[in-house]
Amino acid sequence: GQNIDQPTEMTATEGAIVQINCTYQTSGFNGLFWYQQHAGEAPTFLSYNVLDGLEEKGRFSSFLSRSKGYSYLLLKELQMKDSASYLCAVRRNDMRFGAGTRLTVKP
Amino acid sequence: DTGVSQNPRHKITKRGQNVTFRCDPISEHNRLYWYRQTLGQGPEFLTYFQNEAQLEKSRLLSDRFSAERPKGSFSTLEIQRTEQGDSAMYLCASSFQGSGNTIYFGEGSWLTVV
Repeated sequence: GQNIDQPTEMTATEGAIVQINCTYQTSGFNGLFWYQQHAGEAPTFLSYNVLDGLEEKGRFSSFLSRSKGYSYLLLKELQMKDSASYLCAVRRNDMRFGAGTRLTVKP
Repeated sequence: DTGVSQNPRHKITKRGQNVTFRCDPISEHNRLYWYRQTLGQGPEFLTYFQNEAQLEKSRLLSDRFSAERPKGSFSTLEIQRTEQGDSAMYLCASSFQGSGNTIYFGEGSWLTVV
C-alpha cells in the first residue's frame, strides 16, 4: 500500500521562504519527486531525491529522509508566480501522488 | 515540439456515450502512464505501460476503462458508457525506464459528462 500526506493549503508573503512538508508510507521506493501545478495546467517537474539529504536547484531545494519517510520542498525568495499547487510523489515502478499543497503568495 | 501530446484537449459528452483519448509520448520514452485528476486532488494513477505491455492497472479502474498501447508508441484510453463521475482531467505522462527517471506530463484532456 501507499500513503502520501501533505498540508492542504499554505500562505506566504512575497520574498519570504516557505517549507512544504510531505510524509509517506510505501511498499517500494525509487525516489521522491516534487511537481508544481498551476490551476488548469499539467504538473511540471521541480526536483527529486533518491538518496537522503538536500538537493538544491536555484530558489528550490528538496530534502529527503528515507528512514523517516519524510521530505520537504523549500522555496526561497517567493514570487507571486509561485502561487500554485505543489505535488509530492513517490516513485516505484509507477509514480503515486499526494493530494497537493495549494500555496498562495501574497504581496 | 517533442513533449507529450494529448488529444482532444477538451471533450463534452452525454452520459452513456463512449469516449477515447489519445496520447503521444516523448519519442524515446518506453514508459507511458495514465492518470485522472479532479479539482483539488492530486493525479490519481490509472495504469502504465512499458513498451506495449500494460504492467499495472489501478483497482479503482472499473471495467468501463480500457487502455492500449499496441505498438509501444502512442496510447489510447477509452471510457465506455460514461457517467457524470468520470468528469475529470485525464493526464498522460511518459518516462524512460528506471528508478529516478522523471515522468513528463502532457497538457491533459478535459472530460465533461453531461
